Amino acid sequence: DGGITQSPKYLFRKEGQNVTLSCEQNLNHDAMYWYRQDPGQGLRLIYYSQIVNDFQKGDIAEGYSVSREKKESFPLTVTSAQKNPTAFYLCASSAVGTVQETQYFGPGTRLLVL
Amino acid sequence: KQEVTQIPAALSVPEGENLVLNCSFTDSAIYNLQWFRQDPGKGLTSLLLIQSSQREQTSGRLNASLDKSSGRSTLYIAASQPGDSATYLCAAESNDYKLSFGAGTTVTVRA
Repeated sequence: DGGITQSPKYLFRKEGQNVTLSCEQNLNHDAMYWYRQDPGQGLRLIYYSQIVNDFQKGDIAEGYSVSREKKESFPLTVTSAQKNPTAFYLCASSAVGTVQETQYFGPGTRLLVL
Repeated sequence: KQEVTQIPAALSVPEGENLVLNCSFTDSAIYNLQWFRQDPGKGLTSLLLIQSSQREQTSGRLNASLDKSSGRSTLYIAASQPGDSATYLCAAESNDYKLSFGAGTTVTVRA
């Protein structure tokens, strides 16, 4: 079954703690993305990567970090510098350079602050 | 910077009525316009993708139109069903593969 998996489904963060959200895809896609979704707002791009070992900041990268060591994996770390981390986090992937290609989304991780 | 707006934010209709969802964008230099569906607490599912050179796309009861010159796209859902209840998001893709999303329209279809 091809698709994108995210874990965990729910994550609790204590103040001052770094937490890491997992995203794995078996679609053989080159590009991967992390979005944040807040109530009543559209998705906002945090980071994206179009190739292994390379990634770029999106619109709201402050307080977040990523790595892309393998094509199928793109973990997101929410650092203690992110003062308002409570949100729904979505990972997506897509082929690069294909005209009709859309982004495929994982089921999301909800991050809550204790 | 691309700004995408969806109006209304919420919509409630009786079963069988046709749905019309609106999306507007500020920068007409788009690569494509996409419509997604999101169920509560879930990820997004792609519904339709309209290339910048196209005027519309159809899939079953869904039809999406694109007018780049006026910065507008419309999603039509014919003969709505309770299973159509969800949030519908539109997104404009720029030439660097980045998507700019609207906040979505939450649809409730009453049985």
